[in-house]
Amino acid sequence: DTGVSQDPRHKITKRGQNVTFRCDPISEHNRLYWYRQTLGQGPEFLTYFQNEAQLEKSRLLSDRFSAERPKGSFSTLEIQRTEQGDSAMYLCASSLGLAPSYNEQFFGPGTRLTVL
Amino acid sequence: QKEVEQNSGPLSVPEGAIASLNCTYSDRGSQSFFWYRQYSGKSPELIMSIYSNGDKEDGRFTAQLNKASQYVSLLIRDSQPSDSATYLCAVNTGNQFYFGTGTSLTVIP
Repeated sequence: DTGVSQDPRHKITKRGQNVTFRCDPISEHNRLYWYRQTLGQGPEFLTYFQNEAQLEKSRLLSDRFSAERPKGSFSTLEIQRTEQGDSAMYLCASSLGLAPSYNEQFFGPGTRLTVL
Repeated sequence: QKEVEQNSGPLSVPEGAIASLNCTYSDRGSQSFFWYRQYSGKSPELIMSIYSNGDKEDGRFTAQLNKASQYVSLLIRDSQPSDSATYLCAVNTGNQFYFGTGTSLTVIP
């Protein structure tokens, strides 16, 4: 399977705990995006990487959220001191680039986070 | 004003009919436009991308773009029950991608 993969698929945690999610993009894709989606809403942009460089973060992304993409391959998203409002589906997507025809994003299956 | 707006529906069409889904966007500088299908509990799946004014056809799907009116649409011909899903419109503006809240489509057998 050469699609985007995410791990874990489901995560249940207690408020105040830290969680980390992993995303493996399609191998030749340079751009990697993180989104959050809650029920009834579209995906909400969190951050993106061009290779290993994190180029933009949403102003909605609090200091409790951090993302890395070492060596421009897989990426991790960490949430520290989780809150109940962090409960959502966390989606990863990748694309070849930004230029038209290269910027089609393909999503992974997502990680569903439940904070108790 | 939201960057991307869609009618949330629900939209119901009989099997075999044409389903028409609409989307408007706020930034005239937007350059790339996408339609995704999302089944309940699953992640979005890319259906179509469109970059220039006019129509783009792929099988039963036709995307239409009108930049002057800031309007994107998706037509689904010969709708099937398996097309029942939420359809998300996405727009690329600069480095950002904005998604609408989606339109729920039900195809009635």
